[in-house]
Amino acid sequence: EIVMTQSPATLSVSPGERATLSCRASQSVSSNLAWYQQKPGQAPRLLIYGASTRATGIPARFSGSGSGTEFTLTISSLQSEDFAVYYCQHYYNWPYTFGQGTKSEIK
Amino acid sequence: EVQLLESGGGLVQPGGSLRLSCTASGFTFNNRAMAWVRQTPGKGLECVSMINGGGGTTYYADSVKGRFTVSRDNSKNTLYLRMNSLRAEDTAIFYCATVAHGGDRFDYWGQGTLVTVSS
Repeated sequence: EIVMTQSPATLSVSPGERATLSCRASQSVSSNLAWYQQKPGQAPRLLIYGASTRATGIPARFSGSGSGTEFTLTISSLQSEDFAVYYCQHYYNWPYTFGQGTKSEIK
Repeated sequence: EVQLLESGGGLVQPGGSLRLSCTASGFTFNNRAMAWVRQTPGKGLECVSMINGGGGTTYYADSVKGRFTVSRDNSKNTLYLRMNSLRAEDTAIFYCATVAHGGDRFDYWGQGTLVTVSS
């Protein structure tokens, strides 16, 4: 099983600032990596797939990069609605696994 | 608009059984692989099971293999998860999700149904 490790666990950011979230895979997953956003009481929502492709309707301030074992989600200018928990997930082989999440909170 | 609606969650005793359903609309159901994902505060998000569009290929997490069975009725646009021999550690919110390209990202999610295993 591929282990996904996210850092940091919590990210304190002021509105309008840039946020950088990291995700590391225990072995290469090529570009088979997705990022999800989850707000309290809601289901996760797909943000990025293929490591760098934004899902339908996702604002351009969200961008993803990386391949192999190291990945990054960048939010260029945090808006109030972006404070949430973010998860990475690989879909390279079964079982697909998620990271433990990074919570972005208002500084 | 894609909609996924889970049902069937509730309180069940350890060792008991439950069947979850996920009714889908807004897309061609039999063209899409589907997945069940559960979430707990302690273990986070876990992919429990996945099934291909035709229903002939299934995948399970080791933690549920032999106890859970995923199936689908394409004539009813419905996905199922039969859960037997339930344990306290199965307590979670269960989500169904569509799987892109037969085995790719999870692009649409339902709102989830809570399963509580407790005596």
